[in-house]
Amino acid sequence: GESVGLHLPTLSVQEGDNSIINCAYSNSASDYFIWYKQESGKGPQFIIDIRSNMDKRQGQRVTVLLNKTVKHLSLQIAATQPGDSAVYFCAENGKTSYDKVIFGPGTSLSVIP
Amino acid sequence: DTGVSQNPRHKITKRGQNVTFRCDPISEHNRLYWYRQTLGQGPEFLTYFQNEAQLEKSRLLSDRFSAERPKGSFSTLEIQRTEQGDSAMYLCASSLILGRPYGYTFGSGTRLTVV
Repeated sequence: GESVGLHLPTLSVQEGDNSIINCAYSNSASDYFIWYKQESGKGPQFIIDIRSNMDKRQGQRVTVLLNKTVKHLSLQIAATQPGDSAVYFCAENGKTSYDKVIFGPGTSLSVIP
Repeated sequence: DTGVSQNPRHKITKRGQNVTFRCDPISEHNRLYWYRQTLGQGPEFLTYFQNEAQLEKSRLLSDRFSAERPKGSFSTLEIQRTEQGDSAMYLCASSLILGRPYGYTFGSGTRLTVV
């Protein structure tokens, strides 16, 4: 069935280092892939998205890479800061509807000062 | 407008009772979504509205669940005859049709505990 999953449930990085969070997906029909950040006690916050016809997109300190051949998505965070500590979810729009997002189980990122 | 507002933030109820949650989206957003999130998991889609029309419902939304958006502004999610398995965070999000389609703005959620 449809699923979006993550390779690693937790990730610890030193402040200032770059972080890479990986995600595997199984639905080849999705148009969009999205990364959300969720801090404790808050709802998910949109970070960046990428359309299926692209392989790379950059934002402020973040880069998303999409490899459709192996159905892999990654989020790179440059110069990781303590404020980046959160749970990160990859997500995709569902094949049965253009208008909803399916979330994966999440990766917890801890930044060590 | 400071974002998506959800009330209450926390709700503890006894099994079998009915509960209702409210979501006030960003005023100009015409789409409104409800998700449910359990500890350590990603949010699961429940239902969404475009203006006042409920356009899609997940199979997760059993007969005990009902959602409304009567005037295309705020929305309510009601759970009847609550069960312990309903304990979760209920998240509301809103978005515009135009612009980034999946750039949802989420509220902080309502945490439901059924005892």
